[in-house]
Amino acid sequence: DIQMTQSPSSLSASVGDRVTITCRASQGISIYLTWFQQKPGKAPKSLIYAASSLQSGVPSKFSGSGSGTDFTLTISSLQPEDFATYYCQQYYSYPRTFGGGTKVE
Amino acid sequence: QVQLVQSGAEVKKPGASVKVSCKASGYTFTTYGFSWVRQAPGQGLEWMGWINTYNGYTNYAQKFQGTVTMTTDTSTSTAYMELRTLRSDDTAVYYCARGGDTNPMDYWGQGTLVTVSS
Repeated sequence: DIQMTQSPSSLSASVGDRVTITCRASQGISIYLTWFQQKPGKAPKSLIYAASSLQSGVPSKFSGSGSGTDFTLTISSLQPEDFATYYCQQYYSYPRTFGGGTKVE
Repeated sequence: QVQLVQSGAEVKKPGASVKVSCKASGYTFTTYGFSWVRQAPGQGLEWMGWINTYNGYTNYAQKFQGTVTMTTDTSTSTAYMELRTLRSDDTAVYYCARGGDTNPMDYWGQGTLVTVSS
C-alpha cells in the first residue's frame, strides 16, 4: 500500500497568512493526487485534483503543485472560512489512501 | 447540479448488518463509479472500496474483504454499501463519493452516521 504522510499535522495561522501543507507519498504516484478540505460535521470538499488542477468553483487562492512523491497545497491568503482540516489522497493505485490530515487553526 | 443524498443515521447492535444508500442526481449515473469512505469519531478518512456503476466491478480494501458489499441500482441511480458483522469500532460516518478510479473523487454525499452499540 502507498503511505501518504502529511506535514504538519496541525498549524496555527492568522487571517492573511500564506499557508503551505505538504504531502509525501511512499512511492511515486505521478500526479494522481487530490486535496480535500473538511470542516467540522461536514463532508470533505474537493479542492485540487491531478496535483494542480483547481476543482470547478474553488477560489484561486488555493493552488497545488508537485509530482512523483512530493506535493504541496498552498493557500495564498488565509481567510476565516479556510480554517479547516485538509487531506491529500492518492488515486494512482489500489487501495486508495489518504494522508492523516492537517488542521489549520 | 450533481447531488448525492445518503440515507439517515442508523443504530445497530454488534454482529448486525447495515446498508447505507446514496442516491445520485444531476448527471448520467453510469459514467462515474462510486467510492465509499468512512470516518471514525475524531479520526481521519479511511477508504473502503470502489464500485463501477457500469458493470458492477468492485475493489475493496483488504480490511473490509468479506464484510462489505457494494452494489448499485441503475434504475434508481442509487449506490449501496452493506457492512456485516458490525463491531463497536465500526461506529463512524460513512460517505459515498462520485469517482475514485481514473476520475478523482469529486462530489460527496452528506454522510451517514452508523453507531454500533449494545
